[in-house]
Amino acid sequence: SQELEQSPQSLIVQEGKNLTINCTSSKTLYGLYWYKQKYGEGLIFLMMLQKGGEEKSHEKITAKLDEKKQQSSLHITASQPSHAGIYLCGADPNTDKLIFGTGTRLQVFP
Amino acid sequence: DSGVTQTPKHLITATGQRVTLRCSPRSGDLSVYWYQQSLDQGLQFLIHYYNGEERAKGNILERFSAQQFPDLHSELNLSSLELGDSALYFCASSSVWLNEQFFGPGTRLTVL
Repeated sequence: SQELEQSPQSLIVQEGKNLTINCTSSKTLYGLYWYKQKYGEGLIFLMMLQKGGEEKSHEKITAKLDEKKQQSSLHITASQPSHAGIYLCGADPNTDKLIFGTGTRLQVFP
Repeated sequence: DSGVTQTPKHLITATGQRVTLRCSPRSGDLSVYWYQQSLDQGLQFLIHYYNGEERAKGNILERFSAQQFPDLHSELNLSSLELGDSALYFCASSSVWLNEQFFGPGTRLTVL
């Protein structure tokens, strides 16, 4: 079965710094989703990537899908305390089921 | 506010009991998904309903069952509860399968 591995598991950065979170799949990615979760709350959809090489941006967050490497990256530019939370990547393994990575916990300190 | 509502917000019960979690999707969304999130297992997909019919099944135990009603709200029934069933249960909805999913605030289930 397909698995998603996220790295790093945890990240602590100073406000204003850039950071990158990676999501690597054990099998081919047919669709990749990024979500953000505040502790104990529901997930907020960030972006969906479907084509190899696709890149999308929303405000200071950019996500890319590298289909060859079966990997996606999420890059945050000039991080702010509001970016703190748990970032989860999700994927469709082409079996009508959605799977999620283990998450990356991001803390941003002033 | 995602537009997806879940009740109750918190639920505390004992082992062996049965509970029902309720989800109302966003207006117009035909798809409802259920997820379980625990510290050791992460976010696990349980089941997906589309317009009243089961569309996909994930890691859902036989003690768990779900249904989607004609008004599109959904219920997740958990029976013979065990300590390990303690988790956050999320419901999400979308207009189209594998499109943006809108998550509810979750139901925190504690089994004592």
